Order: sequence, then structure tokens, then C-alpha cells
Amino acid sequence: QQKVQQSPESLSVPEGGMASLNCTSSDRNFQYFWWYRQHSGEGPKALMSIFSDGDKKEGRFTAHLNKASLHVSLHIRDSQPSDSALYFCAASNMGYKLTFGTGTSLLVDP
Amino acid sequence: DPKIIQKPKYLVAVTGSEKILICEQYLGHNAMYWYRQSAKKPLEFMFSYSYQKLMDNQTASSRFQPQSSKKNHLDLQITALKPDDSATYFCASSQDGTKSYEQYFGPGTRLTVL
Repeated sequence: QQKVQQSPESLSVPEGGMASLNCTSSDRNFQYFWWYRQHSGEGPKALMSIFSDGDKKEGRFTAHLNKASLHVSLHIRDSQPSDSALYFCAASNMGYKLTFGTGTSLLVDP
Repeated sequence: DPKIIQKPKYLVAVTGSEKILICEQYLGHNAMYWYRQSAKKPLEFMFSYSYQKLMDNQTASSRFQPQSSKKNHLDLQITALKPDDSATYFCASSQDGTKSYEQYFGPGTRLTVL
């Protein structure tokens, strides 16, 4: 079983809409969480990190972490067609080794 | 300018052969990594190096050997190639390998083994 599970597997939202992505870990040793985005044909690029319980906002992106339930979410408001990509949740317990989730494919319809 | 260079971008090999995937980073980072992305699977951690020393090896096979000739280089040698080795291999780097600094990924080398 994957240690980091993501849902939904795919998501379609209209341009300007809100996209909500979820991630759940099964390993309580994970202390650090990241959201990465990967456009087709490119390597993943970090969107944001979240290490403490609560919300963290960066522009149109808001991440939420609940360590008790090992749940991380990413909300993208005012979604743009350029946001269409694969989104990965990644977790680590020692900093250097990232365990990636299964990914969510986001499509923003113009 | 690209900060992490991976060569080649595409690679086709025959079963049983040996290939070397090249990675160079120009971010001044001290830690480098290799990950693998196979079809229908999440990105999978393979190796981590910090200050040119191997920190972690999560590959089950000795056919995968990282090679660090310079601080900003971490190549990946794969011997006795198998069709199951077909995947995109990503090199990444971070400022330090001991803390949770952001990891920057290269564009990847897509390997196909026939």
C-alpha cells in the first residue's frame, strides 16, 4: 500500500473555479509535506511546503495540514488553464528523502 | 538558463546493455538525488548524495550505480538493462541533504528498454 495517497485521481474545474486536492499519509513519522506540480514533459516543481498544523497561503494557493489525521490539502482559487498539470503531494521525515503520492491530474477548462 | 541539466532527454537501449544518465546542477547545492517515474506509479526515490557521499540507497538492485565525479555532478549508471527499467529518471538537488529544503528537479531522461 502506498504511504501517501491522493484524491481525486483526476479533477476538472472551470476557469476561475476552485480546485481542491487531498492527500493522506499512513506514516506518522512524516513531518514535512510538500505540494509539487508537474507539467507534461517537465520535471516536478515545488509549489509550496507546509510543516505546521493549519493553513498556509501563497497567492492563489492555500495548503492545509492536520498532523493528527495525517491529512494535507491544496486549494487553488481562481484556477487558470496554465494550472492544468499533475499535482503531487510529497512527504518526508528526515528532510532529504521525499515520498511522493499517487498524483492528481487537474484540468482547467477555459 | 536551465539550472539542472540532464542528458540525454530521450534514450533507447536494448535489453542487457548498459547506459549512463548524466546530471549536472548549477544551483550551488550540496545534495543531489535520483528519482524514477514509471507509468502508473508515483515518483520513486532512488538515491541521495550529500557533499559527494552516498546518504541513502533505496534501489533493490546493484545494477543501479550513482557516480559523483564532481560536487555538482551525479550520474546514474544502469547495467544489464531490462524492459522494466523503462521509465523517466529525474535528477534533483537541494541546498542541504539534512533538512527539508526544497528539492529542484531536472527535466528528466526518458529511458526505453527494448
